[in-house]
Amino acid sequence: NAGVMQNPRHLVRRRGQEARLRCSPMKGHSHVYWYRQLPEEGLKFMVYLQKENIIDESGMPKERFSAEFPKEGPSILRIQQVVRGDSAAYFCASSPESSDNSPLHFGNGTRLTVT
Amino acid sequence: TQLLEQSPQFLSIQEGENLTVYCNSSSVFSSLQWYRQEPGEGPVLLVTVVTGGEVKKLKRLTFQFGDARKDSSLHITAAQPGDTGLYLCAEASNTGKLIFGQGTTLQVKP
Repeated sequence: NAGVMQNPRHLVRRRGQEARLRCSPMKGHSHVYWYRQLPEEGLKFMVYLQKENIIDESGMPKERFSAEFPKEGPSILRIQQVVRGDSAAYFCASSPESSDNSPLHFGNGTRLTVT
Repeated sequence: TQLLEQSPQFLSIQEGENLTVYCNSSSVFSSLQWYRQEPGEGPVLLVTVVTGGEVKKLKRLTFQFGDARKDSSLHITAAQPGDTGLYLCAEASNTGKLIFGQGTTLQVKP
């Protein structure tokens, strides 16, 4: 029973390029959450998606960031025209339902480095 | 907006020592989760506490939820190097979204 799969594990981009981060949730999970983490800090919520719908994007920067979770395929977090401040670890988590009693299962993250 | 404060931010101890880390909120928690994160990996859920005054044990880890549900603590007895990691508390909203504290980085030296 595969866990949450994120790829790539490490991604290096030059300033101005685009970064695409992928997340395949656990089998049977239709709720996906993206988080960003700076070194030795907690995780900051970015966006919550269900299949084909963005439910809560209150943590997403207004520009350059977008997320999708299509009917088929993984969830994608897309960062356009990356800047050095985008360097961080990005984690995806999934759950079978949206409630405070349903624990989130996290992937091992994508570490983005912008040079 | 719920604010979760964790203390201490960083803790370095010798193997065999005991330690306690704290998580405090500006308002009442609906429920609280504790996670442990090792370098290069995602957070892993340790426990969920729901009821004020609740105490849960997980081997050498003891979790307490304050009576007023505004604070929680994690106590580790006889720490081992394998306990090294980032300990995070988080509150879940009714949509499942988690709000995390900034974490306590624990280093246990052999």
